[in-house]
Amino acid sequence: GDSVTQMEGPVTLSEEAFLTINCTYTATGYPSLFWYVQYPGEGLQLLLKATKADDKGSNKGFEATYRKETTSFHLEKGSVQVSDSAVYFCALSDAGAGSYQLTFGKGTKLSVIP
Amino acid sequence: DAGVTQSPTHLIKTRGQHVTLRCSPISGHKSVSWYQQVLGQGPQFIFQYYEKEERGRGNFPDRFSARQFPNYSSELNVNALLLGDSALYLCASSSGQGDNSPLHFGNGTRLTVT
Repeated sequence: GDSVTQMEGPVTLSEEAFLTINCTYTATGYPSLFWYVQYPGEGLQLLLKATKADDKGSNKGFEATYRKETTSFHLEKGSVQVSDSAVYFCALSDAGAGSYQLTFGKGTKLSVIP
Repeated sequence: DAGVTQSPTHLIKTRGQHVTLRCSPISGHKSVSWYQQVLGQGPQFIFQYYEKEERGRGNFPDRFSARQFPNYSSELNVNALLLGDSALYLCASSSGQGDNSPLHFGNGTRLTVT
């Protein structure tokens, strides 16, 4: 079945540091890929998405590129802020399943210190 | 505009009991999905409903059931609760079924089974 593997956390960075959170996937078809963010005490929010190979999703300074050849969708940000502290989830959707469902990775907790 | 609302926010139940969780989607959204998020893990897909019909079901036992009402709100029912059912239950709504209709998540119901 489909699966998503993302780097183990927690990740602790100083403000203005460069962020990379690795994500790789396994899927039988051609999934769409997503990054969701979960702030403390809140539900998940869509951060960015990419629906086909070589697409780049971007939002709030975060970027991720759909790499079919390496089955990866790594999240990057050039300069993190304290407000970026949250748990980040990589996910894919399997359109072939007949329903719209997301398969999530385990999440990576990011803490940004001043 | 109101987002996805879930009730109750917290719930404590005893093993063997039954629980009902409720979800109101964003106005105009016809699809509701349910996810279970165990502490330290990513959300796992339980059900998707679209236009009051079940469109997808994850790998959960028959103790889990759901329904969607004519106003598109939804209930998730869990019978014969087990300790392992303790988790954050997330509801998500979308206007359609595909990747062009992103999921909007509620803040979840925290269920504790003792």
